[in-house]
This record gives sequence, C-alpha cells and structure tokens, in this order.
Amino acid sequence: ELKVEQNPLFLSMQEGKNYTIYCNYSTTSDRLYWYRQDPGKSLESLFVLLSNGAVKQEGRLMASLDTKARLSTLHITAAVHDLSATYFCAVSPQGGSEKLVFGKGTKLTVNP
Amino acid sequence: SQTIHQWPATLVQPVGSPLSLECTVEGTSNPNLYWYRQAAGRGLQLLFYSVGIGQISSEVPQNLSASRPQDRQFILSSKKLLLSDSGFYLCAWSSQGMEPQHFGDGTRLSIL
Repeated sequence: ELKVEQNPLFLSMQEGKNYTIYCNYSTTSDRLYWYRQDPGKSLESLFVLLSNGAVKQEGRLMASLDTKARLSTLHITAAVHDLSATYFCAVSPQGGSEKLVFGKGTKLTVNP
Repeated sequence: SQTIHQWPATLVQPVGSPLSLECTVEGTSNPNLYWYRQAAGRGLQLLFYSVGIGQISSEVPQNLSASRPQDRQFILSSKKLLLSDSGFYLCAWSSQGMEPQHFGDGTRLSIL
C-alpha cells in the first residue's frame, strides 16, 4: 500500500527566508504532483513531476523529484506573505493507476 | 477550456437525512472523475473514482455511494447522514495519462 508522508506539517517562516518541504513515499511511483490550497478553498495544481531528476520552477517555488530515494522537495525561495497556504504532494502508484494518494499537507505561514 | 462545477457550495443537514451532491465537467469527454473528503485541518481521502459511465470504484467502506449517470456527471449520495460525514467534499476530474487532477470549488457539509 502506497503511503505518502510530508514534513513538516506546519511551517512558520519569515518573509525573505528560504525553506524546503519534503515529501516521501513508500513504493515505486511514476508521477508526483504538488498542489496548493488556500484556506476554505479548493486545490490548485502547481507542478507535475514525471521522471527522476525532474525539476520544475514557478516564481519562488521549485519542485524536484528523486525517484530512487522516493523523495520530492518543494523549495521556497525568499518567501513572501502571498505564499501562505497549505501545500500537498500527491503520488500515483506505478502501473498507470489513475488514483492519487495525498500527503497530509504542509501548512505554511509566512510572517512579515 | 475545461471547467468543473460542483454544488451546492455549502450545506447544513440533520443527522439521518439524505444527501445528494452533484459535479459536472464541461469541455472534455470521457474524463476520470473523483470524489474526495477533507476533514477539518486534514488531508484528502479518496472516496470514489470512476473511469466511465456506470463504473464506480469505492475506496472506503461507508454509508456514502456514488453514481455516474452521464459521461461528465458524478453524484455523491447518502440515504442517511451521520455526524462523521461532516467535511469538505471535493470533486475532481482528470484526462487519461499524466495530467494532474483538477478540482471543483468544493461543498462544505455540516451535519447537525
């Protein structure tokens, strides 16, 4: 059974600082997704990572995937208040399954 | 472009009452459809998914059911709601392949 663990679950950081959120998963996977959820809102797709070594960047966020280590990271550079949200990683089991298993999410608060 | 509609946005129901939540997708055909539940402050739990009309897979035993009467319509139902059914219900769709799932705005269900 595929398990997905994110850490930290809660992250409070100062504006301008850098930090990394980690996503570990337990079995082989062929794709990994990062989503953002603002309070009371739905989920918004951020990144799709499909191969070992994949790196995607959008603004102050950069996501990477190491399939051998079964690890994805979401790196935040020079955080700003607008990045405050909950970030989820989601993993699809290998074999073409359409299902996703979500981590519990990392609630990020960026303080001025 | 593709859009997903989910309604109602908010619902307050007494224990033991029936439930019907509806989700429709526009701008695509033969999507995969999903129902998730998110309890307060927690991650997403996949409830049901469907790869075609009349094809429903249940992920978690419970008093909820799902139906897909048309290609782009997905309905979540219950005959008798329990207090534990409270939560934020999200419908999502995806195309075949590696594309991410796209989420509706969600229904916030409170059981009294």
